[in-house]
Amino acid sequence: ETGVTQSPTHLIKTRGQQVTLRCSSQSGHNTVSWYQQALGQGPQFIFQYYREEENGRGNFPPRFSGLQFPNYSSELNVNALELDDSALYLCASSFRGENTDTQYFGPGTRLTVL
Amino acid sequence: SQQGEEDPQALSIQEGENATMNCSYKTSINNLQWYRQNSGRGLVHLILIRSNEREKHSGRLRVTLDTSKKSSSLLITASRAADTASYFCATDGGSTLGRLYFGRGTQLTVWP
Repeated sequence: ETGVTQSPTHLIKTRGQQVTLRCSSQSGHNTVSWYQQALGQGPQFIFQYYREEENGRGNFPPRFSGLQFPNYSSELNVNALELDDSALYLCASSFRGENTDTQYFGPGTRLTVL
Repeated sequence: SQQGEEDPQALSIQEGENATMNCSYKTSINNLQWYRQNSGRGLVHLILIRSNEREKHSGRLRVTLDTSKKSSSLLITASRAADTASYFCATDGGSTLGRLYFGRGTQLTVWP
């Protein structure tokens, strides 16, 4: 196990609703990245947070937003949910230092939008 | 796209056989990583190989990297049924910011 936890495990929402997903980083890590993985696809980078600020963003609209807290835990918020937002959402933590390379993933949150 | 692309998309073998998966990418990289995913759950980091390395081993895993061909391979020796999973390669796209670019993965099935 990586020590990265996510909640909830599963979530069902309807179109137009808003959702908040949570992630607790591995101890000692200061960077959190969020990824969206649609069925049958590889993970797609949403954004990354470092020292509580967004530090890089993928090709996702502004209705995808996030936060990182002083304890390095993080939230992913998605507003105005669309059917295509149904996916596995993964967070990954890492330590930005000399070797920022390896990211450790949590178990994911499975979001279904009806 | 900067994504890695794995080949084959699916691989089915018997226990005890070796499994080889390939990955191609398009940009320069600092490193390439391989991850494993069981049944749509979280990704487990397997191995990282840096751009100045050509081969790396970890237990039953052997990874090679050819930066001139922009390709990598993952070899799992003496496969077990428990190795059944999806395997992804991920590159950093040459950036040090930590963003990873994934391919669609190879679904490996190992039959007892």
